[in-house]
Amino acid sequence: NAGVTQTPKFRVLKTGQSMTLLCAQDMNHEYMYWYRQDPGMGLRLIHYSVGEGTTAKGEVPDGYNVSRLKKQNFLLGLESAAPSQTSVYFCASGPPGELFFGEGSRLTVL
Amino acid sequence: DQQVKQNSPSLSVQEGRISILNCDYTNSMFDYFLWYKKYPAEGPTFLISISSIKDKNEDGRFTVFLNKSAKHLSLHIVPSQPGDSAVYFCAASDLGDYKLSFGAGTTVTVRA
Repeated sequence: NAGVTQTPKFRVLKTGQSMTLLCAQDMNHEYMYWYRQDPGMGLRLIHYSVGEGTTAKGEVPDGYNVSRLKKQNFLLGLESAAPSQTSVYFCASGPPGELFFGEGSRLTVL
Repeated sequence: DQQVKQNSPSLSVQEGRISILNCDYTNSMFDYFLWYKKYPAEGPTFLISISSIKDKNEDGRFTVFLNKSAKHLSLHIVPSQPGDSAVYFCAASDLGDYKLSFGAGTTVTVRA
C-alpha cells in the first residue's frame, strides 16, 4: 500500500524557472494538503483541498498554485521560482485529525 | 503569527529516563491536538492525539497531557529509547476547520 507518494524527491531550479510537484494518494481521502518545512518554522500550510475540483489558500500561498483535477492527485506549481521557495515540501492527505504524509520533496532554487 | 508554539528547539535525554516535550497554543477554538514524529528524510508520522474533552491520553510509553486553561500540552515519553531520537511536532486543529497548525518542532536526542 503506497499511501502518499510525492514526485520528484529532489529538484534544483534556477530563479524564474517553473515546475510542478505531484502528490498522489491511494487512500480515497477527500482532503489533501501541501506544507513546506523550513528550519525553525515547522510545517506551514501552503494550499489545501477538501475535494476534487476544490482548492483553498493556507498560511503561505503566495508564489504557488495548485490543482485537484482528480481525487487522488494534488499538484503544486511554482510559476516563477524564487530562492525564498527553497524548502522541503510535504504533501498530506486525510481528515485534519489523521494526516498521512509523503516522504517530502526537497527543492533548491538558485 | 504562529498559533502553536514549541519553545524548546532541542532536548537531550539519557536512555531510560523521561522525555518531556512542551507545546503552547493561542487559538481558543482549537479542540483537537496531535503529536507527530519525524525521522530525517521521511515524512511526519502520527504519534498520539487528544481531544479537548480529555486531559490525558496514554498509548504505551507515550502520554499526552492537556491543560486547557493554560492552553498548554505536553508529551511524556517513558522510558526514552534510542529509536525515539527524532523531531516531534505538536499540532492543533479546530475540527470545524479543515487544517492543522503545526509548531516548529523539538529535536529529541536520546543518549545511550
